[in-house]
Amino acid sequence: AQSVAQPEDQVNVAEGNPLTVKCTYSVSGNPYLFWYVQYPNRGLQFLLKYITGDNLVKGSYGFEAEFNKSQTSFHLKKPSALVSDSALYFCAVRDSSGNTGKLIFGQGTTLQVKP
Amino acid sequence: DAGITQSPRHKVTETGTPVTLRCHQTENHRYMYWYRQDPGHGLRLIHYSYGVKDTDKGEVSDGYSVSRSKTEDFLLTLESATSSQTSVYFCAISEAGTGVEKLFFGSGTQLSVL
Repeated sequence: AQSVAQPEDQVNVAEGNPLTVKCTYSVSGNPYLFWYVQYPNRGLQFLLKYITGDNLVKGSYGFEAEFNKSQTSFHLKKPSALVSDSALYFCAVRDSSGNTGKLIFGQGTTLQVKP
Repeated sequence: DAGITQSPRHKVTETGTPVTLRCHQTENHRYMYWYRQDPGHGLRLIHYSYGVKDTDKGEVSDGYSVSRSKTEDFLLTLESATSSQTSVYFCAISEAGTGVEKLFFGSGTQLSVL
């Protein structure tokens, strides 16, 4: 069965510093991986996805993610954090049981960027 | 933003009462999903639909039913609400299989069962 794990409940970083939010996955077959962000009292917003191709995927708001097959990881990164990046971040993998678009989400990681 | 409207935005109800949440989309997307969000669990799929009158269960479907009589509307019903169904419910849509492999989410419904 597919699954994703986000080992950190919260990540704290100072504004201007690089940030990393970790995600590891377990899938059978080729992984379709996603990152979403949720701001308070809002629905989830798509940040980026990995299907095939380059291991470094660029997404919205200056975020990028690195796919590492040997480590089964898909960490979210940003070179310079902003206070406005503070939010809840979810890693997800597409359920491979049929082409239904279902996503399986991790538990979420709260990113706190301090001025 | 994708045209997804969830109603109501907030609902307080009592244990044992029926509750229906509505999701309406203006994107004509084939797939619609209901997720619930709980601390420590992320989002978990309740039910999903792959077309009018075509629905299937997700991982936490017990106590919930759904209906989709039109492309644009996907209803989630709690037949007899319980306190364990207190949660934030999100509707999502997608065009899975077209190469647009991502979900668009509504703003959520906060449901409290007392």
